[in-house]
Amino acid sequence: SSELTQDPAVSVALGQTVRITCQGDSLRSYYASWYQQKPGQAPVLVIYGKNNRPSGIPDRFSGSSSGNTASLTITGAQAEDEADYYCNSRDSSGNHAVFGGGTQLTVL
Amino acid sequence: EVQLVESGGGLVKPGGSLRLSCAASGFTFSSYSMNWVRQAPGKGLEWVSSISSSSSYIYYADSVKGRFTISRDNAKNSLYLQMNSLRAEDTAVYYCARENPIVGATVLDYWGQGTLVTVSS
Repeated sequence: SSELTQDPAVSVALGQTVRITCQGDSLRSYYASWYQQKPGQAPVLVIYGKNNRPSGIPDRFSGSSSGNTASLTITGAQAEDEADYYCNSRDSSGNHAVFGGGTQLTVL
Repeated sequence: EVQLVESGGGLVKPGGSLRLSCAASGFTFSSYSMNWVRQAPGKGLEWVSSISSSSSYIYYADSVKGRFTISRDNAKNSLYLQMNSLRAEDTAVYYCARENPIVGATVLDYWGQGTLVTVSS
């Protein structure tokens, strides 16, 4: 079982704002990173650290954290944002990486 | 341009062995920790193993510890995963991923396209 918990599925209307959350005790000590994965493709890093976007990631993607919960927010969701989103961080030992179970985002 | 290219996947019988490779280019391979992450068909991502830049620190998920061995050859810009005693539940796409050294996080900033391992009789 994953030490990071995500909602299995979330939907958002086109152009609206959606928040995808990730919960876990280790998030009190470590930052979460967020990955987008479209069918048949490798994951792509979209948010890391406190709230950093790799080059090429649109600024509608942002991250935040409070207590044991990290959040990925998409402001003005687009059709191309429909994908699976995974959070990851470290486990309680600090030595192992761990992934959340993933959230399937549907853009209506 | 950073590139990671996995190879070595295929069909293997339960109890068999397979060695995956990941060829890196476009960055100073010897300066980065590397990871293997897998994804079973229709399932989520599962971290498998990591190795530090000089191979000093190696970690495994409990699900593969004692069966899989991660290694690297910095002279050849290559990462490896030796998989022994394979089980049906090891069937997955295996990705290699570069770890960006951000303090207080595990940031996998570049991923390969993956190689499929199928364990079946």
